[in-house]
Amino acid sequence: DSGVTQTPKHLITATGQRVTLRCSPRSGDLSVYWYQQSLDQGLQFLIQYYNGEERAKGNILERFSAQQFPDLHSELNLSSLELGDSALYFCASSGGVIGLTGDTEAFFGQGTRLTVV
Amino acid sequence: LAKTTQPISMDSYEGQEVNITCSHNNIATNDYITWYQQFPSQGPRFIIQGYKTKVTNEVASLFIPADRKSSTLSLPRVSLSDTAVYYCLVGDSSGNTPLVFGKGTRLSVIA
Repeated sequence: DSGVTQTPKHLITATGQRVTLRCSPRSGDLSVYWYQQSLDQGLQFLIQYYNGEERAKGNILERFSAQQFPDLHSELNLSSLELGDSALYFCASSGGVIGLTGDTEAFFGQGTRLTVV
Repeated sequence: LAKTTQPISMDSYEGQEVNITCSHNNIATNDYITWYQQFPSQGPRFIIQGYKTKVTNEVASLFIPADRKSSTLSLPRVSLSDTAVYYCLVGDSSGNTPLVFGKGTRLSVIA
């Protein structure tokens, strides 16, 4: 158990709908990362937050947005869903900024499997 | 951000030592190398990290030559449970490198 909790574990929704994925980082971790992994695809980095502020942005679609709340949990909002958005969405956390604050690794949750029908 | 290149896939028999090499020709002075392991439908898990020479832990060894343009993850005596995707990442100590994963190497261990 990595200590990172993602809810829900599974989500089935229709095209055009909006969903929210939730991530609770390990206790005390300030950084949260979001990734998308489609079938047979690598991990696509979406976005990183550090202590409530956006720190890095990857290939995140405009239909997707995220935020990190004062209690450090994070939510990834996916709207106007398309069939191609079906994927595993992972959240990871690290104590600080990897490389900068002495942290060496990120801890990943078990993911949310999103199916758009 | 240093680009990394790894073999797409590798096969090995149980009990063999497996070496997965990652090429990172434009690695910068402050960059370090990290390897993660991912099982199907699970999140990646940190394996090992190093800056130069050799690092060993209970799971693997990481060999980094003097020019640091490549690194080799060594898994001793693999078992079926080591079947996974292995990712090599290069990050810098300024913390300005996002945690970006490439396509990784899919290792299949055969009985």
